Amino acid sequence: QVQLQESGPGLVKPSETLSLTCAVSGYSISSGYYWGWIRQPPGKGLEWIGSIYHSGSTYYNPSLKSRVTISVDTSKNQFSLKLSSVTAADTAVYYCATPGDLYTFDIWGQGTMVTVSS
Amino acid sequence: EIVLTQSPATLSLSPGERATLSCRASQSVSSYLAWYQQKPGQAPRLLIYDASNRATGIPARFSGSGSGTDFTLTISSLEPEDFAVYYCQQRSNWPRYTFGQGTKLEIK
Repeated sequence: QVQLQESGPGLVKPSETLSLTCAVSGYSISSGYYWGWIRQPPGKGLEWIGSIYHSGSTYYNPSLKSRVTISVDTSKNQFSLKLSSVTAADTAVYYCATPGDLYTFDIWGQGTMVTVSS
Repeated sequence: EIVLTQSPATLSLSPGERATLSCRASQSVSSYLAWYQQKPGQAPRLLIYDASNRATGIPARFSGSGSGTDFTLTISSLEPEDFAVYYCQQRSNWPRYTFGQGTKLEIK
């Protein structure tokens, strides 16, 4: 079955770029599916950041679009998130997820906490 | 952008009682609405997709209904493990998504 695992720095300085990777196991990204990133600030709700298709087509939350880049690396079977010019408001648990055979997120990574602080 | 409003913000019930959670969309999302359960320190878990379809492994006490702008998640008889935060999510402009702000289901 498909499994997802996020990785990346847990601490990022303000104005810098947050970079996370989601490793996919149990499925080849090049075979299909959409792959997405969702975040959750401490004590708050869920926010969809963006999604990417295996071909590289991307879809972003309009509120974050100017700062977000999602990419896929089929050779490493992983996809990545970059969020530029971060502030304290970007402090959150970041999840990677995929709808799999459905059209809504059925499979999630465990999440990784990222703190923006100097 | 479609806004999802969940009510109530907090619901206090006892095990064995029936829970009814609401999600209202600012415009029609057809039947493209999902429900998630989230427990502390865990990733969300998909319960219901496309308004009324239970995801794999979800107990029959969970059911979803509605279409257009008004949706309901019903838990027929609460088990101790059901106390958590519940989120609705729409995908009417898939593959873009919006989440509701959540309903906390707490033990009375």
